[in-house]
Amino acid sequence: DIQMTQSPSSLSASVGDRVTITCRASQSITYYLNWYQHKPGKAPKLLIYAASSLQSGVPSRFSGSGSGTDFTLTITSLQPEDFATYYCQQSYSAPRTFGQGTKVEIK
Amino acid sequence: QVQLQESGPGLVKPSETLSLTCTVSGGSISSFYWSWIRQPAGKGLEWIGPIYISGSANYNPSLKSRVTMSVDTSKNQFSLKLTSVTAADTAVYYCARELNHDSRGRYFDYWGQGTLVTVSS
Repeated sequence: DIQMTQSPSSLSASVGDRVTITCRASQSITYYLNWYQHKPGKAPKLLIYAASSLQSGVPSRFSGSGSGTDFTLTITSLQPEDFATYYCQQSYSAPRTFGQGTKVEIK
Repeated sequence: QVQLQESGPGLVKPSETLSLTCTVSGGSISSFYWSWIRQPAGKGLEWIGPIYISGSANYNPSLKSRVTMSVDTSKNQFSLKLTSVTAADTAVYYCARELNHDSRGRYFDYWGQGTLVTVSS
């Protein structure tokens, strides 16, 4: 199985901050990397697919980059509704695997 | 807008079978892969596997011996059965649609809100 490792596991930030979350795969997954936002009690929401493609309806302050084994999710100006847990997920091979999550909390 | 809703017992006894159904509304169940994903409390997301409308499935090897999925296109539903459950199977179970975007890969574009299943006597 491909292991996905996110860092940090949590972070505190203020509204308006630039936030960067990193995801590393245990082997090359080319660009088959997706990012999700998850709030308690809600359905996870797809933000980014194929490493850098913004899902329809997702604000442009979210962006993704990377290829191979190292990927980044960036939120350019954190908004109150962005406080959530973020997960990366590889779709390069089965079984699909997720990172352990990064919880973004209010500072 | 496609919506998914999980349903099933919230409490299952150890050694028994966990059964969940996901109802898809706002769109057809045809032509997509439909997946189950779970999250134990305080832990990460674990992919259980997808099923296609043809009935072909691809289970996570870690659960393969205990998992069966099925699809009912007439009801726009798909289902999960997990046998011989233990406390380790206690989790929030999500159903999701996996879209195959050709060269852009696959991703879960629609999810249910999840249902908590507790394994306890």
